[in-house]
Amino acid sequence: QVALVQSGGGVVQPGKSLRLSCAASGLTFSDSAFYWVRQAPGKGLEWVAMISYDGHKKDYAPSVKGRFTISRDNSRNMVFLQMDSLRVEDTAVYYCAAPRLFFVVFDHWGQGDLVAVS
Amino acid sequence: DIVLTQSPDSLAVSLGERATIRCKSSQSLLDNSNNKDSLVWYQQKPGQPPKVLIYWASIRESGVPGRFSGDGSGTDFTLTISSLQAEDVGLYYCQQYDRSPWTFGQGTKVEIK
Repeated sequence: QVALVQSGGGVVQPGKSLRLSCAASGLTFSDSAFYWVRQAPGKGLEWVAMISYDGHKKDYAPSVKGRFTISRDNSRNMVFLQMDSLRVEDTAVYYCAAPRLFFVVFDHWGQGDLVAVS
Repeated sequence: DIVLTQSPDSLAVSLGERATIRCKSSQSLLDNSNNKDSLVWYQQKPGQPPKVLIYWASIRESGVPGRFSGDGSGTDFTLTISSLQAEDVGLYYCQQYDRSPWTFGQGTKVEIK
């Protein structure tokens, strides 16, 4: 059974940094791309970042490009989201998500981690 | 970017009645390589992450009750709950996986009347 366990969220001041972590198990980690999706309080879902199975391809939503960095450690089965220059509007629950092979349909989700910028 | 617009934003339906949610895309989601539409529907319950209901616009995910169905092609899609049950209360989102940035509809809240 696939499990994505997240950590690292919290309260941070505007302009500061935070790093989210996602520990994956139950899937072939080195074969899977990973994504971060966020949900602002009372709002809808927004894709934030993706990293390919080998880490060579990364992609970001325009709202976070240049401030957020996604990375992975295939030796530890972990994915990270480094968030710099945080803004009040980055306040959200952040989900780590793994899509099915070949298509960006999010089959597996972490439990969510609240990042509050205030 | 592909914009997905859901309607309505919320709806209240009596138990056992039909609920219909629409999702309109600003661009066609038809994948010419397989003649399928790159649209997925999710259900989200409070405090939980979303769960896949329907993918390729009309294929029901394994384990999803038969009362959920998806229809549509090109730019117009619908999710139908044929007989609303109490456990169906929640938020419903469409998402396109045709191209990056991967975008979601704004969500539709389904409640019991």
